Amino acid sequence: KNEVEQSPQNLTAQEGEFITINCSYSVGISALHWLQQHPGGGIVSLFMLSSGKKKHGRLIATINIQEKHSSLHITASHPRDSAVYICAVSGAQKLVFGQGTRLTINP
Amino acid sequence: KAGVTQTPRYLIKTRGQQVTLSCSPISGHRSVSWYQQTPGQGLQFLFEYFSETQRNKGNFPGRFSGRQFSNSRSEMNVSTLELGDSALYLCASSQQTGGMNTEAFFGQGTRLTVV
Repeated sequence: KNEVEQSPQNLTAQEGEFITINCSYSVGISALHWLQQHPGGGIVSLFMLSSGKKKHGRLIATINIQEKHSSLHITASHPRDSAVYICAVSGAQKLVFGQGTRLTINP
Repeated sequence: KAGVTQTPRYLIKTRGQQVTLSCSPISGHRSVSWYQQTPGQGLQFLFEYFSETQRNKGNFPGRFSGRQFSNSRSEMNVSTLELGDSALYLCASSQQTGGMNTEAFFGQGTRLTVV
């Protein structure tokens, strides 16, 4: 069993829909990261959180430390949000990644 | 402020050759970590350097090695290349002094193809 599990693996939605991507982990962590990867390959850090909730524009990330679970929400989704979203947990000077969620937003 | 710079962006090598990839972190960042991304295995941790010292290493064979210079720039080397080494190699820099609890900034990656 992977230390970091994401669901769903693939998600297709219509523009404007509310999107939720989930991440569960089984190890102790110092922080959880949400990353975005576009087809070109570069990775952008969206959030780093160790408790509670963070919001940036249309993106919201939450974490429940007791349940070892985090969610990434996208409100009013747009085709430019189409990308792979990756959850990663940190500890011992390294990141451990989930397998990613491929999100496609159709106009 | 310049981001994390990886060179080269693309590389084609033949089996058995060796390759060196370079990563220049954001100015002031002392931690550099390396990751391999393949379609089958996803993103996997290779190693992490802080102030020229390797602090952690992933589960990769000894053909994979790295180093960090006094200016925090880092290189990774893969010797005796195999077809399975074809991957996107990403580096990330951060300011961390302890655990990975500061934001990581990624480069664009080096796409290595072994033929």
